[in-house]
Amino acid sequence: EAAVTQSPRNKVTVTGGNVTLSCRQTNSHNYMYWYRQDTGHGLRLIHYSYGAGNLQIGDVPDGYKATRTTQEDFFLLLELASPSQTSLYFCASSEGPSSGNTLYFGEGSRLIVV
Amino acid sequence: GEKVEQHESTLSVREGDSAVINCTYTDTASSYFPWYKQEAGKSLHFVIDIRSNVDRKQSQRLIVLLDKKAKRFSLHITATQPEDSAIYFCAASKGNSGTYQRFGTGTKLQVVP
Repeated sequence: EAAVTQSPRNKVTVTGGNVTLSCRQTNSHNYMYWYRQDTGHGLRLIHYSYGAGNLQIGDVPDGYKATRTTQEDFFLLLELASPSQTSLYFCASSEGPSSGNTLYFGEGSRLIVV
Repeated sequence: GEKVEQHESTLSVREGDSAVINCTYTDTASSYFPWYKQEAGKSLHFVIDIRSNVDRKQSQRLIVLLDKKAKRFSLHITATQPEDSAIYFCAASKGNSGTYQRFGTGTKLQVVP
């Protein structure tokens, strides 16, 4: 089964602060994704990547950067965190494009911006 | 872009009864419809999917129905058990590689004894 590991699991930062969320998958999947989960919105895609060095924007990319350094590692960067970015963030991976493939999710990173 | 609506935000059923969760989508080109389960305080995991070339799929107690004309798909959980209590998310996507799954808002299912 796919293994996706996120860190940190919990983070509190101040408005304007700098946050990096990390994700590592160990199943040689090409595709990786960052979603945020908010009550009333379900899961919304922020960024995704189909390989090292590649980055694609999702539906809610504003205020976020991402970088895929290797096939295994995908990072989400919040350079000037705002309270609206308080959320539960999930990383996911898939063997092929998610348009036809199952997503495997990490355990989630809860971010609070005060 | 594609919008996926999940109509029931909460659903309560008695143990042993069936539960039905409904979703609709807007893009007629959508062809892949997975369902994910999120237990309390945990991550999401895949439970079942259906592709547009069929209108029904079953995996043990889970049945997914797809009505392409109505742009509607549904998850049926038969003979519900307490461990079925969770939030269920539907998703939809087109078949081409430049697209990705979009999710509904989730349905919290509670199975009561």
